[in-house]
Order: sequence, then C-alpha cells, then structure tokens
Amino acid sequence: SQTIHQWPATLVQPVGSPLSLECTVEGTSNPNLYWYRQAAGRGLQLLFYSVGIGQISSEVPQNLSASRPQDRQFILSSKKLLLSDSGFYLCAWRKGRRELFFGEGSRLTVL
Amino acid sequence: DAKTTQPNSMESNEEEPVHLPCNHSTISGTDYIHWYRQLPSQGPEYVIHGLTSNVNNRMASLAIAEDRKSSTLILHRATLRDAAVYYCIANAGNMLTFGGGTRLMVKP
Repeated sequence: SQTIHQWPATLVQPVGSPLSLECTVEGTSNPNLYWYRQAAGRGLQLLFYSVGIGQISSEVPQNLSASRPQDRQFILSSKKLLLSDSGFYLCAWRKGRRELFFGEGSRLTVL
Repeated sequence: DAKTTQPNSMESNEEEPVHLPCNHSTISGTDYIHWYRQLPSQGPEYVIHGLTSNVNNRMASLAIAEDRKSSTLILHRATLRDAAVYYCIANAGNMLTFGGGTRLMVKP
C-alpha cells in the first residue's frame, strides 16, 4: 500500500532563517507531487507541483522553492523565512487523475 | 480548474442526512468533480469524485446535475465525526485548487 510521510511535524523558526521540509512517498512510482500551505483559519493554497524528477511548477511567486531530487521525494525550501510564511504545510501525491493523498502536515511558526 | 461556489457553512443534526451543494457553472466537458473534506488539524481526505453519473461509496453519494453545472454531496446520516470543511473541486488537469469550502457543523 502507498504511504506518504512528511517531516518535521512541527517547527518554530526565527525570521530570516532557512527552511527545509521533506516529503517522501512509498509504494508507488512516478506520482504527481504537491505542496500546499494553509494559513491559520484559511483555505489551502497550492504552492508547487511536480510531474517528474526535476520538473517543478510554481503557482505563487514568493520566497519559497521546491525540488524533486528523486522520484518519490519532494522538498520545500526557503533561504530566508518571513513572518507570513507561518502556516500548515501539506505535501500530497496523486497518480494520474485519481484521488489526492495528503501527508500529516508540518506546522511552521515563524517568530 | 473551473470556479466553484459553495456556502460558507451549514448545520446539521446528528443522524440526519446532509446535502452539501456546489455550483460549477463554467465546468468543461473533461472536468471531474471532486470532493474532499478536512478535519481540524489534519490534511484533507478524499471523499468522492465523478464525471457525469451519480456516484456512491461507503462515505457518501455524489449527485451531479444533468447539465453538470452543479453537484451535491450527500451524507446519508451525519455523525459528529463528519464535522469538517468540505471542498468541491472541478478539474481535469494535474492541479487541484481548493476554494474556501463549506464548514459543516453537526449538532448532537
């Protein structure tokens, strides 16, 4: 069966510090991978999606970046965090047009 | 994605059926209609999806209007665990864009 894991689950970072969130999927190959962000009390915002290794599409211009170094690994990064980067980050995977499966989420607080 | 419109919130009594509406008047012929729900402090989970015909699964039923410009997610007997934000998405491509959704409150 397929599983998705993302970490860390919770982190508190100062403004200006770097960020790295990791997501891995097991039990499938060549999935579409996604990063979403949810600010407190708000809806989900699609940040990045990837249809293959090294292929990243960005939906919102900002100080975040994503990389897909391996087929089932998706990384969200920032060189310098802003206060507005605080939120609940969710990684998800999908095979073709089938349902989207989400990870457990990473809650980021920028102080 | 086609634009979707959902009520901000709805209330239901426990054990009663719930009909959650979604309008997607600009839907194209290849857009699937997806429903997800998000419980507090969790990522969204898949509920159901369909293209033209009504669909049933163990979680819910999806009723799609004949012109496909609207759909209704039906929970046959609401439980307290069904309290969540329900998202309707009309999409054919790789991206799934979530709108504001409908916050369903279930009263005991």
